[in-house]
Amino acid sequence: GESVGLHLPTLSVQEGDNSIINCAYSNSASDYFIWYKQESGKGPQFIIDIRSNMDKRQGQRVTVLLNKTVKHLSLQIAATQPGDSAVYFCAEKENYGQNFVFGPGTRLSVLP
Amino acid sequence: NAGVTQTPKFRVLKTGQSMTLLCAQDMNHEYMYWYRQDPGMGLRLIHYSVGEGTTAKGEVPDGYNVSRLKKQNFLLGLESAAPSQTSVYFCASSYGRQGLGNQRMDEQFFGPGTRLTVL
Repeated sequence: GESVGLHLPTLSVQEGDNSIINCAYSNSASDYFIWYKQESGKGPQFIIDIRSNMDKRQGQRVTVLLNKTVKHLSLQIAATQPGDSAVYFCAEKENYGQNFVFGPGTRLSVLP
Repeated sequence: NAGVTQTPKFRVLKTGQSMTLLCAQDMNHEYMYWYRQDPGMGLRLIHYSVGEGTTAKGEVPDGYNVSRLKKQNFLLGLESAAPSQTSVYFCASSYGRQGLGNQRMDEQFFGPGTRLTVL
């Protein structure tokens, strides 16, 4: 409900530790996924994407894992830095669909 | 390149007033989108366009209208604003099916947002 949506899940990690942010999706027909980062007062920014024919993809300091069996997506951030503090959203889309469905987001807080 | 720009950045309206939000992109993208974001929630799609002259409804279209008269612009209109439309509005664009080469066709580039308050 609306009251649940007001309180984002929050992940607090120490600077230098690894972070893992999780996302569950519901549409088994989704075959393309993106992780976005949104800093306070800004629009979402692309981090990394993955298609359903892969189960892992790596970028610079980030890794996305896809488990289609349980419809679960995760974002791993290595050596988390203060600049990583933001809200992270996963988004899913069907192959021939035009629209993404966004998750509610997770707030990552990096502690000094 | 400026990317995706939105005007205005902030606006306060009274119930019943109308206004138009302007989104512009200089990346020659085919697809454009309007989302709203409410506190602690993800983005919800209002309307979208897959090309100049075309528009389609998203998840929450009621109370909004859109137009895409030029490829680079996507306008969002509120004919009679209601307090429930208080939100942050984001515009986005993507290459869509016309993406070339290794470009991520579906990646959406977002504008900085418009914070709208309806009293």
